[in-house]
Amino acid sequence: SAVISQKPSRDICQRGTSLTIQCQVDSQVTMMFWYRQQPGQSLTLIATANQGSEATYESGFVIDKFPISRPNLTFSTLTVSNMSPEDSSIYLCSVESGGSDEQYFGPGTRLTVT
Amino acid sequence: EDKVVQSPLSLVVHEGDTVTLNCSYEVTNFRSLLWYKQEKKAPTFLFMLTSSGIEKKSGRLSSILDKKELSSILNITATQTGDSAIYLCAVEEYNFNKFYFGSGTKLNVKP
Repeated sequence: SAVISQKPSRDICQRGTSLTIQCQVDSQVTMMFWYRQQPGQSLTLIATANQGSEATYESGFVIDKFPISRPNLTFSTLTVSNMSPEDSSIYLCSVESGGSDEQYFGPGTRLTVT
Repeated sequence: EDKVVQSPLSLVVHEGDTVTLNCSYEVTNFRSLLWYKQEKKAPTFLFMLTSSGIEKKSGRLSSILDKKELSSILNITATQTGDSAIYLCAVEEYNFNKFYFGSGTKLNVKP
């Protein structure tokens, strides 16, 4: 299984500011995923990030609001831009283990926007 | 439309009880079904079921995939308070490598 770390683990931010979340994996992976879990809800996929190409965003999510970087096979960042209280959520990155096709999650970033 | 539906949404049992959680799905190119346990922030992987591995067991937990009925169950026997969590079901499609998550079943095991 892959070991995934995320930074920060939590943050409280003011409306209108931006926060960049980092995701580091201990092995090279082709695909990384970013999810959002709003209070009381299940996980919603924001985008899929492949190294060397633009991220693919799901319906309802746009690059201007959630820009993603994927500079190499072990690292990705998700930025939540121009935040509003509705962006308060847990943000999770995940990877698919190449050998077993199992999906593993990072520890998550709990974001509160005031 | 919902691709993955879990039931019940919540469940309260007492220690020692056996519970069965349900997951039904509707995807075009099914690849695998995964079960997760979510206690705090990040889901923890439990099982992956595919066409070549339709039944998995680990300790008190077991899961079965019914490809004909497009569903899966997660069984937990002799439940403990530590089993209290949200259990998520996710289904992966072949073509897009996407994982669709159900809304989860919130299990509360009382002493």
